[in-house]
Amino acid sequence: VQLVESGGGLVQPGGSLRLSCAASGFIFSDYPMNWVRQAPGKGLEWVSYISTSGSTTHHADSVTGRLTISRDNAKNSLYLQMNSLKAEDTAVYYCVRDTYLAGDYWGQGTLVTVSS
Amino acid sequence: DIQMTQSPSSLSASVGDRVTITCRASQGIRNYLVWYQQKPGKVPKLLIYAASTLQSGVPSRFSGSGSGTDFTLTISSLQPEDVATYYCQKFNSAPFTFGGGTKVEIK
Repeated sequence: VQLVESGGGLVQPGGSLRLSCAASGFIFSDYPMNWVRQAPGKGLEWVSYISTSGSTTHHADSVTGRLTISRDNAKNSLYLQMNSLKAEDTAVYYCVRDTYLAGDYWGQGTLVTVSS
Repeated sequence: DIQMTQSPSSLSASVGDRVTITCRASQGIRNYLVWYQQKPGKVPKLLIYAASTLQSGVPSRFSGSGSGTDFTLTISSLQPEDVATYYCQKFNSAPFTFGGGTKVEIK
């Protein structure tokens, strides 16, 4: 199992970014997926969930309306579209495989920095 | 939304000590409770799911218990490699909230 995030970087407040997570080593379409973030020196924060087909999504209140999770099962890829970014969105963003009971595999993370 | 509260926020114990970390849910979550270990500078690692089921490869000195609102992670004999921050997470339904974390250090 391998999860590789990309797309992080420095963006100005109010800007946009799209994170990607490339999955391999398992049948991607069999698993729900999540995004979890961790601000520098802080704890873990669950961000978003998407079902196997992509028909069901959930987002944390702190990101609803600004961050949107999606997936492309044909490309074995998970995405997080990030709009209207704020300084408090600065964090390492992890792509996490969901077994319905836990997040069992985590990517290495991609750093998003929102600053002017 | 259900809140997850961990205690203590940090602890210091000697090698060989028994260590207990508590996680409390503001409402019942049956046994949908997960524990993770995050070593400094590393990615979180799954330790325990369904409150008490040890993930494959995790040392048997780790154990979990509880149901409903009160859960416990126990390290039966603390080892130097257990220095880490431990997080609980509810997994019954979204939002999949984490606890604030417990930092474990060696005395």
